[in-house]
Amino acid sequence: EADIYQTPRYLVIGTGKKITLECSQTMGHDKMYWYQQDPGMELHLIHYSYGVNSTEKGDLSSESTVSRIRTEHFPLTLESARPSHTSQYLCASSEWQRNTQYFGPGTRLTVL
Amino acid sequence: DAKTTQPPSMDCAEGRAANLPCNHSTISGNEYVYWYRQIHSQGPQYIIHGLKNNETNEMASLIITEDRKSSTLILPHATLRDTAVYYCIVRVEMAAGNKLTFGGGTRVLVKP
Repeated sequence: EADIYQTPRYLVIGTGKKITLECSQTMGHDKMYWYQQDPGMELHLIHYSYGVNSTEKGDLSSESTVSRIRTEHFPLTLESARPSHTSQYLCASSEWQRNTQYFGPGTRLTVL
Repeated sequence: DAKTTQPPSMDCAEGRAANLPCNHSTISGNEYVYWYRQIHSQGPQYIIHGLKNNETNEMASLIITEDRKSSTLILPHATLRDTAVYYCIVRVEMAAGNKLTFGGGTRVLVKP
């Protein structure tokens, strides 16, 4: 069982609010990822990190930002949420030279 | 990454073995076969991976043909909780890239 956690699991907020989605893992993994997935659709990588102080944008352009101050935490922030940000956000982590990614349960975000 | 082909859906009787095929005829010598599954509204879950030898763990068995152009994931005793979309992914184990590309997968429905 993977030790990767996301909070909140569900979030409903109004347009214009600033939100932070939390992701933490206790496996000591260097690499962490954020994916976005709409219902029934494929996962799209929006951010990843190789380690502390490393962040990169993924394949899908996103207005969100991330930070990696500690190995175990990889929070995602939306400065001003909009209805187009409504989606499921999935966090994952992996060891440095391994492709096996372990996913958290996801945060389902609804922006009204 | 090599392309994979999976049937879009299949049904399985509870308690019986579920055999999920995957074709990857363009697989390279250093590419592994990974299997993940995604239960409705949850994050993807790693199941198993292998290079050329058959692999078994507590969740499933992976049978890779001798020419490595196809593989079969076996769930030995399917339960209702195994209902999910199963993804076959082919990738080098220590890829420089980061994202996992989840294609359409096979939607498995385990019936009582």
